[in-house]
Parts: sequence; structure tokens; C-alpha cells
Amino acid sequence: GESVGLHLPTLSVQEGDNSIINCAYSNSASDYFIWYKQESGKGPQFIIDIRSNMDKRQGQRVTVLLNKTVKHLSLQIAATQPGDSAVYFCAESSMDSSYKLIFGSGTRLLVRP
Amino acid sequence: NAGVTQTPKFQVLKTGQSMTLQCAQDMNHNSMYWYRQDPGMGLRLIYYSASEGTTDKGEVPNGYNVSRLNKREFSLRLESAAPSQTSVYFCASSPQTGTGQFFGPGTRLTVL
Repeated sequence: GESVGLHLPTLSVQEGDNSIINCAYSNSASDYFIWYKQESGKGPQFIIDIRSNMDKRQGQRVTVLLNKTVKHLSLQIAATQPGDSAVYFCAESSMDSSYKLIFGSGTRLLVRP
Repeated sequence: NAGVTQTPKFQVLKTGQSMTLQCAQDMNHNSMYWYRQDPGMGLRLIYYSASEGTTDKGEVPNGYNVSRLNKREFSLRLESAAPSQTSVYFCASSPQTGTGQFFGPGTRLTVL
């Protein structure tokens, strides 16, 4: 079946550095992607989304890049802060799955002070 | 604007007991979802409701039933709880399917 996965289960970065979290997807028909942040004991929090007609989208300190050629999604966090420590999930959806979100297994981001 | 609310926050059941998890949203969203999250794993869709009056199975529907009570409320019922249903359950809503989903705080369920 189709799946969304992550390359790095844990990423450790120094406070102030930039972070890059990667995600690979396998459904070439996927046309909508979302990044979520989940802190311990809380529900996932929407960070940023991107549709397949775009390659890049920026938010506040975050940028999502989409490379449809290699089916790769990344989340860049600028000037990483201790509050960014969390598990990050990518999710994808497509019309052929009735636009249900399929989540990856997550990457834990640890920010070193 | 509370967003998505879930009750209860915690629940312990014995095998074979039944219970209903409640979810409500105040964002006037059309679509609502129930997920489960097991340790070290992502979220898996149990059931969803694309719009009021409709419900559909997700990836792991066995052992669960849902009711879309009205536009605001979407409940998840375990008729006969099993230890394999020990998990954290999240409800989510979105304006419609194919748009960003907003999650509630979760219900931690333990089945002994």
C-alpha cells in the first residue's frame, strides 16, 4: 500500500541552528502535504501545509519544500529554539484515497541548549 | 473558541467493558476524524465523517463504531474493549476532507 516514511527517527540540533526534517512519500498521486508538531502528552499541532502545485511554502520560521520528482518533503526550522523540541510528523493525502491523511511514523527533534 | 475538545482525558477499562469517547468542535468544520496512536508510531485513522450524516471506515475500524451526532459532535464507541485497544485516541476536524486537520488533546485509554 501507499506509505509515508521518515529518514531520521531522531534529530539533535544546537539551539540557534537550523533544523531540517525529511520525509519520503510513495504515492505519486498525493497532492496535499502537511507537517505536524506533537509535544509530549498533547495532540498534533498543525504547522504548515503545501499543495502539489507548489515547490516551496514559508511560514513563521518554517519552510516546507516539496520535490515531486523524487517524492520528498522537508521541513526547515530556522534558528531552532528549545520550544521546538517535539516529534514532527508529515502527512499526505490524495484524491484516490478520498483525501484521508496518511501519517508517517515521526521524527523526534531534540534541541541542545 | 475552544477548538476540538475530547472527554474523558483518561480512562481505564476491563476487558469486555464498553465506553464512548466524546469529541466536539466549535469551528463549524464539516469533516471529523478519529485516530489512534500507539507508542512510537504515527496516527492511524479509525473512522471519519466527511460531512454531517456520513461516516466511513479508515485504516483500523475493527472493534469500533462511530456516530456523527450533529455537525459539532463525533463519538467513538468501543462495544467490548480488548487490551489491543490500549492507546491514545485523538479526534480531529477540518473544514472539509483534503484540508488541514486540527486535533484535540487526546484520550489515554488503558484496557486491562
